[in-house]
Amino acid sequence: DGGITQSPKYLFRKEGQNVTLSCEQNLNHDAMYWYRQDPGQGLRLIYYSQIVNDFQKGDIAEGYSVSREKKESFPLTVTSAQKNPTAFYLCASSSGGDYNEQFFGPGTRLTVL
Amino acid sequence: RKEVEQDPGPFNVPEGATVAFNCTYSNSASQSFFWYRQDCRKEPKLLMSVYSSGNEDGRFTAQLNRASQYISLLIRDSKLSDSATYLCVVNAGTNAGKSTFGDGTTLTVKP
Repeated sequence: DGGITQSPKYLFRKEGQNVTLSCEQNLNHDAMYWYRQDPGQGLRLIYYSQIVNDFQKGDIAEGYSVSREKKESFPLTVTSAQKNPTAFYLCASSSGGDYNEQFFGPGTRLTVL
Repeated sequence: RKEVEQDPGPFNVPEGATVAFNCTYSNSASQSFFWYRQDCRKEPKLLMSVYSSGNEDGRFTAQLNRASQYISLLIRDSKLSDSATYLCVVNAGTNAGKSTFGDGTTLTVKP
């Protein structure tokens, strides 16, 4: 089945630790995205990538880093520089272009202890 | 002013009611528009794209008004299972990589 997978579903981290969230897609999509969602709020764009080996900062990139070495994979690292990392993290992909319907993975809930 | 604005609600309606949501956007160059549905603690799922001529999918109708820069979603004959948060999404088209999401409108359908 084609889709987007994220792992782990739940993640607990101690303050001061870096942690990497996985996102994989087998939809052959060129574009991939990372969003953060806080309780009762909308989605905020962290980073996005339109093509392999290239990515751009979104609205809230500080304290996060990404890589795009393969078309299928777009991991997100939450660094210790992120002041308030507890949130719901959503990965999405799209075929790109102007129409750009995005399809989401199931998300990772990160809690900093 | 936010690029995409939605009435957060909540909208509380009885089963069988008709309910409409509006979403306004500020970028007149916006090219494509979508409605997503998000259930509690789940990922957003694409509900429908919004075409210039308006489009319908069963009980759901989406419309676009470019002159006034808003899109709407109409749900007829509401079901309990329609309870969710509905997100409006706008693509500027000038940068194909970026979409702007509204904060969502929460709908609760009651028996």
